[in-house]
Amino acid sequence: GQNIDQPTEMTATEGAIVQINCTYQTSGFNGLFWYQQHAGEAPTFLSYNVLDGLEEKGRFSSFLSRSKGYSYLLLKELQMKDSASYLCAVKDSDYKLSFGAGTTVTVRA
Amino acid sequence: IAGITQAPTSQILAAGRRMTLRCTQDMRHNAMYWYRQDLGLGLRLIHYSNTAGTTGKGEVPDGYSVSRANTDDFPLTLASAVPSQTSVYFCASSESGGEGNEQFFGPGTRLTVL
Repeated sequence: GQNIDQPTEMTATEGAIVQINCTYQTSGFNGLFWYQQHAGEAPTFLSYNVLDGLEEKGRFSSFLSRSKGYSYLLLKELQMKDSASYLCAVKDSDYKLSFGAGTTVTVRA
Repeated sequence: IAGITQAPTSQILAAGRRMTLRCTQDMRHNAMYWYRQDLGLGLRLIHYSNTAGTTGKGEVPDGYSVSRANTDDFPLTLASAVPSQTSVYFCASSESGGEGNEQFFGPGTRLTVL
């Protein structure tokens, strides 16, 4: 089966930076996705990496190292509305998406 | 309304009953998916369909069936519900099942089986 690990919880202060790490061991690799999910709502797409390196989208950036089976999501200038779960997901050789259990980020004033 | 709709929003069901969760998308996406989300386990794929007329099994297919008669609809049926099927169910779609292609999620159905 697929193995995707990320921390369960993280807490940070408004205006700060938080880095959420994700490590994976999957049968094949066809891209890594990050989703944001607010409590009681559906996941929404944040970023996609298929090549090594950093992808930047406003306050959010995502990094991938395929050789290390490692990614991180960087959230800058944290706002209260960033309090949510962040899901790491990997597309395997069959193009199926496997999700980690999610990291709950709490932003404190 | 563009996007994915799911029905019902929530349901309480007696064990042994049959239940169909409905999912409709209007984005003309080829691929559709059903996931269940349980606390501490994340989203797990139940069944998927890469195009109308075809379906496949995901990680946790037992006790569930799907059909894909057309592009827009992808219903999920529990033939005889059991308490372990209590979960939040999300339907999703993407342009295709290949590389890239982010998945768009519906609002979810909260199902409780007693």
